[in-house]
Amino acid sequence: DAGVIQSPRHEVTEMGQEVTLRCKPISGHDYLFWYRQTMMRGLELLIYFNNNVPIDDSGMPEDRFSAKMPNASFSTLKIQPSEPRDSAVYFCASSSGVQPQHFGDGTRLSIL
Amino acid sequence: DAKTTQPPSMDCAEGRAANLPCNHSTISGNEYVYWYRQIHSQGPQYIIHGLKNNETNEMASLIITEDRKSSTLILPHATLRDTAVYYCIVRVSSNTGKLIFGQGTTLQVKP
Repeated sequence: DAGVIQSPRHEVTEMGQEVTLRCKPISGHDYLFWYRQTMMRGLELLIYFNNNVPIDDSGMPEDRFSAKMPNASFSTLKIQPSEPRDSAVYFCASSSGVQPQHFGDGTRLSIL
Repeated sequence: DAKTTQPPSMDCAEGRAANLPCNHSTISGNEYVYWYRQIHSQGPQYIIHGLKNNETNEMASLIITEDRKSSTLILPHATLRDTAVYYCIVRVSSNTGKLIFGQGTTLQVKP
């Protein structure tokens, strides 16, 4: 079975540019999560969706961050404008109901 | 969700059992203990979870003390590929929201 698929795996861009991260959850899963991992803060939840509807976005750091889930098989996390402190590994995860979350392999983002 | 405490690092010899402890003294009656691990450059991977009974699957065993204030994850025959950061997380199973990751335990399996 295909797991959670994230793209790109690596992204290097200059400060001020728009960055779009993509995620394809496991088919049939109704929950989708976006996490960020840094050395300083560890793994932290940014936002999660249930049936394509955002449920909790309290972890989104600033208005520069936005996330959408237009359908059950696709989600994006956008940063505009990007800043060096946004450099991190961004993970997407999905789950079915109360079952454990399954994670993708992440997008390593570097903002120069 | 209750807070957990884990040792920052542990070593284990290849082929031996790895026993990873976790303290969760403030756990509530309806909170489960979950274990995930993160191998370098990969996303976290679910291992096992339990409420109060000991659990076993193809990856590991989970031993929860009778008072539920601590637990131990056991990898029965550790291999080099088990080298990873192991996270113990406590949460209500019906809470389908956030997983709160602490700093975890870095397990180094040595030949």
